[in-house]
Amino acid sequence: LAKTTQPISMDSYEGQEVNITCSHNNIATNDYITWYQQFPSQGPRFIIQGYKTKVTNEVASLFIPADRKSSTLSLPRVSLSDTAVYYCLVGDNHRSSASKIIFGSGTRLSIRP
Amino acid sequence: GAVVSQHPSRVICKSGTSVKIECRSLDFQATTMFWYRQFPKQSLMLMATSNEGSKATYEQGVEKDKFLINHASLTLSTLTVTSAHPEDSSFYICSARGGQGALDEQYFGPGTRLTVT
Repeated sequence: LAKTTQPISMDSYEGQEVNITCSHNNIATNDYITWYQQFPSQGPRFIIQGYKTKVTNEVASLFIPADRKSSTLSLPRVSLSDTAVYYCLVGDNHRSSASKIIFGSGTRLSIRP
Repeated sequence: GAVVSQHPSRVICKSGTSVKIECRSLDFQATTMFWYRQFPKQSLMLMATSNEGSKATYEQGVEKDKFLINHASLTLSTLTVTSAHPEDSSFYICSARGGQGALDEQYFGPGTRLTVT
């Protein structure tokens, strides 16, 4: 299981773009990169998933360089409601895989007015 | 997206009693379900992995006789905390793995807050 490293915390302001980078030097060929968001006293919520290059959805973008040893979650124009803990996870999501999700420490993002 | 529910959302019990928490995948069949525990200001810690019809696989340091997991069907897994003690007070989160296509996704429940007095 690839270990991930993220900043413990980040601060930003409303309307700014926030980029959270995650390192995963031991990522395996079959591993995908997935980001989750968690609010206090709630279960994690899926944000975005990717394998390589760039993925974009209505919530965020995920940038993955060619070596796949890191990834960056980009949140455009954050608001106060984006204050949460963000987890970067790496694992094999293929149906035949017995991979399990192990959470790292996550990044506590605080958005100020 | 797929929905995973947990019941109850919060429970308070007395020390020495047992508590059962249910985890259900509402609109899909889960090949595998996972149980996590989360203490305040900490990350989720994986406790065990369960597959329907087979014994759960516990992570190192998790007492299988204390945290009983039953995965009776493809949509239901239960976690029973036996002889609960105050140090078992925590936020318990389940997740269910499933989906269509070649890739599975992991969907998380809303969590259960357990307080042992």
